[in-house]
Amino acid sequence: AQSVTQLDSQVPVFEEAPVELRCNYSSSVSVYLFWYVQYPNQGLQLLLKYLSGSTLVKGINGFEAEFNKSQTSFHLRKPSVHISDTAEYFCAVMRGRYNFNKFYFGSGTKLNVKP
Amino acid sequence: KAGVTQTPRYLIKTRGQQVTLSCSPISGHRSVSWYQQTPGQGLQFLFEYFSETQRNKGNFPGRFSGRQFSNSRSEMNVSTLELGDSALYLCASSLDRDEQFFGPGTRLTVL
Repeated sequence: AQSVTQLDSQVPVFEEAPVELRCNYSSSVSVYLFWYVQYPNQGLQLLLKYLSGSTLVKGINGFEAEFNKSQTSFHLRKPSVHISDTAEYFCAVMRGRYNFNKFYFGSGTKLNVKP
Repeated sequence: KAGVTQTPRYLIKTRGQQVTLSCSPISGHRSVSWYQQTPGQGLQFLFEYFSETQRNKGNFPGRFSGRQFSNSRSEMNVSTLELGDSALYLCASSLDRDEQFFGPGTRLTVL
C-alpha cells in the first residue's frame, strides 16, 4: 500500500533560520512527488514537484527539495525562513504517471516561524 | 487565468440531509479531483473525473458520488449526511496526469 509519512507534525523555528520538513514514502513502483502549502482558510498551493531528472528540485518562495530514492525521502528545505512562511505543508505522492491524478498526502507539518 | 472556484464556500446541514458541492476547473483543464480534509484523517482522495468519466476512486462509501459535465465543471454529492462528514472538501483540476491546482474548498458542517 502507498503511504506518506511526515515525521514532524509541528516545527517551530525563528525567522531567518534554516528549516527542513521531512517526508518519507513507501512504494514499490516509481513515484512522483510534490510539496504543497496551505495557508489558513485556503486551498493548497504547489511549492515544487519532482517528476524526473535532477533530484534537487527548486520551487517557489525559496524552497527546494531533494529526492532520495535509496532513502525513499523527499525532504523540503529553506535556508532562511520568513514570518510569512508560517503555514501547513503537505507532502504528496502520485504512484506513477498513470494513476490518474490520485494523490496520497502526508498528515502535514505546521511550520511556525517566530520573530 | 481564473483559478479553480468552488461553491458554496461554507455550508451547514443537519444529519440525514444531502448536499451538492460544485467545482469549476481552470479553463482548459479536463481533470477534476475531489479530496476530503479533516483534522483526524488529513487529506483523503475521493474520486477523479476526466472527460465526464470517473477514472479513479478512493475508499469512501457509496453515499459520496460525483459527476462531471461536458464543460468540465464537476459536482460532488453526499447523501444521508453523518456528523463525520464535516470537513473541508477540496477540488483540484489539472490538464492531465500532472500538477494539480486546488480551489479554496467548501467547508461543510453537519449538525
